Formats: sequence, C-alpha cells, structure tokens
Amino acid sequence: GNSVTQMEGPVTLSEEAFLTINCTYTATGYPSLFWYVQYPGEGLQLLLKATKADDKGSNKGFEATYRKETTSFHLEKGSVQVSDSAVYFCALTFTGGGADGLTFGKGTHLIIQP
Amino acid sequence: EPEVTQTPSHQVTQMGQEVILRCVPISNHLYFYWYRQILGQKVEFLVSFYNNEISEKSEIFDDQFSVERPDGSNFTLKIRSTKLEDSAMYFCASSEFGQGEGYTFGSGTRLTVV
Repeated sequence: GNSVTQMEGPVTLSEEAFLTINCTYTATGYPSLFWYVQYPGEGLQLLLKATKADDKGSNKGFEATYRKETTSFHLEKGSVQVSDSAVYFCALTFTGGGADGLTFGKGTHLIIQP
Repeated sequence: EPEVTQTPSHQVTQMGQEVILRCVPISNHLYFYWYRQILGQKVEFLVSFYNNEISEKSEIFDDQFSVERPDGSNFTLKIRSTKLEDSAMYFCASSEFGQGEGYTFGSGTRLTVV
C-alpha cells in the first residue's frame, strides 16, 4: 500500500535558521505530493504541492521538490520565523479519481525559538 | 476566506453511545471527506463523499460509521456505538475538484470516549 514517512519531531530551531523536514514515500505509480501545515488550534492548510517528477512547489518561503529517483519530497526554508511554529504533514494522493483520499505522514512538530 | 466549520470542537461520550460529528463544508464544494488522527499517530483517511454517496472508504470505516448530507449544507459523521479506541481528532474537509488539490480542512472535533 501507499505510505509516507516523515522525520520525527519535535524539531527545534532558532529564528533565521535553515529548515529541512524530510519526507519519503512509498507508492505504486506516481502520486501527487503535498505539504500541509497545522497551526495551533486550526485545521490543516495546504502549504504547497507538486504533481509530477522534478516539479518544485513553493509558498511563503517554503519549497519542496518532487524527486522520483529518491521517492522524496523534503520541505525546506532558508530562514525560519517564530510564526512558522506548527505541525507539518507530508501527504500523497493519486489524481486519477475525483474523490481520492490523502495518505498522510505522522506530522513533524516544528518549534522556532526567538 | 471561506472555511469549513466543525462542531463541536470537543465532545466527551460514554463507551457504547452514539455520536454525531457535524461539519459545514464550503458552499460550492462538491467533494467531502472525513479524516481522523489518534493522538500521536498519523492523520488517516476515513471516507469520501460525492454526489450524495460514498465514493471511497478506508478499512477503518466499518459498519459502526456512517455519513450523511441531510440538508444540503451539513455533512455528518455518525459513530453508532463508540469504543475507547475511537477517541481521536476528527477532521472534515471539502474540495471543489477533489483529488486532494483544493482541500480545505476544518479545525477538527476532539472526540473522547470514556
């Protein structure tokens, strides 16, 4: 079956540090890949996505590149802020059918200290 | 910005009781979903709903669970006879086009079965 593996958290960084959150996947075929973010007390929000190999998704200074050869979709940001503190979820789905569910990773809790 | 609303935010129920979790999806969305997250574990897909019927469901979504769109605006998840292991955060989501791309998630309902 399909699965997503993320690095364990919490990840604690100082403000302006470089961020990488690793995500690898196992899937039959070529899924679409997503990063979702959950701020305290809120729902999951789509952060960025990539639908085919070598695509780079980007939003709010975050980037992730779809690497088919390593089945990875690592999330990066050059300089994090305290407001980036949240839980980040990597996810995949197949876009052949309209109602396909998302397969999520466990989530990585990111804590940014001033 | 349109949002998905879930009520209640927290529900405590006795084991064996029925619970109904409520969601109001975004009005022009056509695809509706329920996910759950047991504390410390992955966000798991339960069910998707389109055109007034279930499109896809996971192994978790057994006969104890049912979904309904009773009045054209609400989307409900019913658990007939709750078990301790049903304690989790339940997220509703809706999408205009399906396929994970345009999901909007609600803030979740924390269900505690005692």
